[in-house]
Amino acid sequence: NAGVTQTPKFRILKIGQSMTLQCTQDMNHNYMYWYRQDPGMGLKLIYYSVGAGITDKGEVPNGYNVSRSTTEDFPLRLELAAPSQTSVYFCASRPDSVGNEQFFGPGTRLTVL
Amino acid sequence: GQNIDQPTEMTATEGAIVQINCTYQTSGFNGLFWYQQHAGEAPTFLSYNVLDGLEEKGRFSSFLSRSKGYSYLLLKELQMKDSASYLCAVIDSNYQLIWGAGTKLIIKP
Repeated sequence: NAGVTQTPKFRILKIGQSMTLQCTQDMNHNYMYWYRQDPGMGLKLIYYSVGAGITDKGEVPNGYNVSRSTTEDFPLRLELAAPSQTSVYFCASRPDSVGNEQFFGPGTRLTVL
Repeated sequence: GQNIDQPTEMTATEGAIVQINCTYQTSGFNGLFWYQQHAGEAPTFLSYNVLDGLEEKGRFSSFLSRSKGYSYLLLKELQMKDSASYLCAVIDSNYQLIWGAGTKLIIKP
């Protein structure tokens, strides 16, 4: 099992550009999450999904969109990138039961200039 | 509001013991996680507590007191590779994970 994979690893965007961060998991997990982590800070939830076709906003959804057409894939879309979106983005997934750990992808380091 | 407090940074000596505290005020409680995060890497799972008491797992132990809104992570026989950030996270009443800012642990020889 590859676990949770994310692409790209690094990206530099200009203000106003758009991009999609890819996330795929091969563990058949229904729950998937997108977080951002700013330097020295904890994780902030952007969007999450409890299964294919179902997504919901987290704590900081503005400026982002997601879709979940399959169990495996959960892409995050940035429209009109802004410097405030410079961060490290982590995708995670977990099995259904509440106490199960979340498995994280390696992260995408995004800089918006 | 929801709040999780952890010390920002701690320093300890190789071979020693260190305790990292976490206090939380959340809307409901459905469990508490500790994760380890090395610089530039993703968080990895260390422990999960949902009942009061101590859970031991090798050199790492985690304690929970729900009545006090308090947990700690105890690391014994510290090794240089334990230098990392340690994140406390609580599952709230909506079954969402609320994350603390993390404690950066520096191990000195």
